Amino acid sequence: NAGVTQTPKFRILKIGQSMTLQCTQDMNHNYMYWYRQDPGMGLKLIYYSVGAGITDKGEVPNGYNVSRSTTEDFPLRLELAAPSQTSVYFCASSYSGQDRSGELFFGEGSRLTVL
Amino acid sequence: DAKTTQPNSMESNEEEPVHLPCNHSTISGTDYIHWYRQLPSQGPEYVIHGLTSNVNNRMASLAIAEDRKSSTLILHRATLRDAAVYYCILRDTRGTSGTYKYIFGTGTRLKVLA
Repeated sequence: NAGVTQTPKFRILKIGQSMTLQCTQDMNHNYMYWYRQDPGMGLKLIYYSVGAGITDKGEVPNGYNVSRSTTEDFPLRLELAAPSQTSVYFCASSYSGQDRSGELFFGEGSRLTVL
Repeated sequence: DAKTTQPNSMESNEEEPVHLPCNHSTISGTDYIHWYRQLPSQGPEYVIHGLTSNVNNRMASLAIAEDRKSSTLILHRATLRDAAVYYCILRDTRGTSGTYKYIFGTGTRLKVLA
C-alpha cells in the first residue's frame, strides 16, 4: 500500500493563479481531510469528506474548493491564489464509524508559495 | 468544536520518562482522544488513541482521567528521535449528521536533551 499520496510536493504560484492539489489514498478509507499548516503553527482543517459525493467545511474553507467523486481521490482547488495561502498542505484519510476510532493517515505534504 | 489545551513546550532528558498532559474539559461521551506527533519537516503521524481506558502500544501509553477531562501521553524512555510536536486532539462527533472531524491545536513541542 502506498498510503496517502499528495502531488505536487512543491509549487510556486503567482497571485491570482489557480491550481489543484491532488490527494489519493489506497486504503479504502471513507473519510478524507485537507489541512493547512502555516510556519510554526498547528494544523487547520480546510475541508473534509465522509465519502464520495459528500464534503463539508472545516475551520478555514474560504478560498478553497473540494470535490470527492471517488473513494480514493480528494483534490483541493485554490482559486485566485493569494499570499495568505502560502502554507504546507496536508491530506489525510481515516476509516471512521461509530465503532471505529479512525486514526488519521497523513500524506507527506505539499508546500505552496504564492508570490 | 471540542478543544484541547496543551503546554507550548516541554523538555526531557534522554532515557527518562516523559509525561505530556492534555486538558479537554468539553469532551463529549463519544469523543475519542487521539495523539499524533510531527517530526521536523514531516506530516503528523499517529501515536495512540483511547476512549475511556488506559492504552498501551509499542510507542507510548495513554492515561485517561476517570472523568475524561484530561489525559496524559507517556513516553517511557525518551530518545532524541522523540523530539517533535505532540498533538492531543479529539475526534469530534458534533459535525453535520454525526460526521467525524479532527481539530488540531498548537501542540506541545518536546525537546529531548542528550
